Amino acid sequence: GDSVTQMEGPVTLSEEAFLTINCTYTATGYPSLFWYVQYPGEGLQLLLKATKADDKGSNKGFEATYRKETTSFHLEKGSVQVSDSAVYFCALWVSGTYKYIFGTGTRLKVLA
Amino acid sequence: DAMVIQNPRYQVTQFGKPVTLSCSQTLNHNVMYWYQQKSSQAPKLLFHYYDKDFNNEADTPDNFQSRRPNTSFCFLDIRSPGLGDAAMYLCATSRDSGPQETQYFGPGTRLLVL
Repeated sequence: GDSVTQMEGPVTLSEEAFLTINCTYTATGYPSLFWYVQYPGEGLQLLLKATKADDKGSNKGFEATYRKETTSFHLEKGSVQVSDSAVYFCALWVSGTYKYIFGTGTRLKVLA
Repeated sequence: DAMVIQNPRYQVTQFGKPVTLSCSQTLNHNVMYWYQQKSSQAPKLLFHYYDKDFNNEADTPDNFQSRRPNTSFCFLDIRSPGLGDAAMYLCATSRDSGPQETQYFGPGTRLLVL
C-alpha cells in the first residue's frame, strides 16, 4: 500500500545550521507530495508541495524536490532559526484517492 | 482570525462515558475531516464529509460517529471511549477534495480517558 517514511527525531540544531529532513514514499499511482508543519499548540499548516517529478516546492526558505527515481521528497533549509522549531510531516496524495497519507512526523528543535 | 476552531482543547472523560468533540470553521469549505493522531504516529483519517455526504474510512471503529448539522460545524462522537482512544483529534477543512486543495487544520483536541 501507499506509505510515507520519515527520519525519526528529534532533530536538534543550532541556529543558522543547515537542515535536512528525509522523506521517502511508496505509492501505486502518481502522488502529489507535501510537507506540513505543526508549531507548538497549533494545527498543521501546509508548508510546501510538489505535484510532479522534478518539481521543487519552496516556502519560507524551505525547499523540497520531488525525486521520482529515488522516491524521495527531502526537506531542506539553508539556515534554520529558533522559530522553525516544530514538528514536520511529510505526506502524499495519490491521484484518484481522496486523502493524505502522512508520515509520523519529525520534531525539530533549534537552539539559540 | 481563527479559521478552524476546535473545542475544547483538552477533554478528560471516563472509560465508557460518551464524549463529543466539536469543530467549527469560518472558511465556508465544503469538506470537513476528522483525524486521530496518537503519540509519535501519523495522523489517521477517521472520516470526512463532503457537504452532507458522509464518508467513513473502512477501518474506523463503529464506536466513532460524526455529525455535520450545517456547513460550519462538525462533531466527533465517541460512544464508549476506551483507554486506546486517548489521542489528539484533529479537524481539518478544504474547499474541495483533491491534492490541489489545501487542508486547513484546527489546533486539535487532546482526549484523555481515565
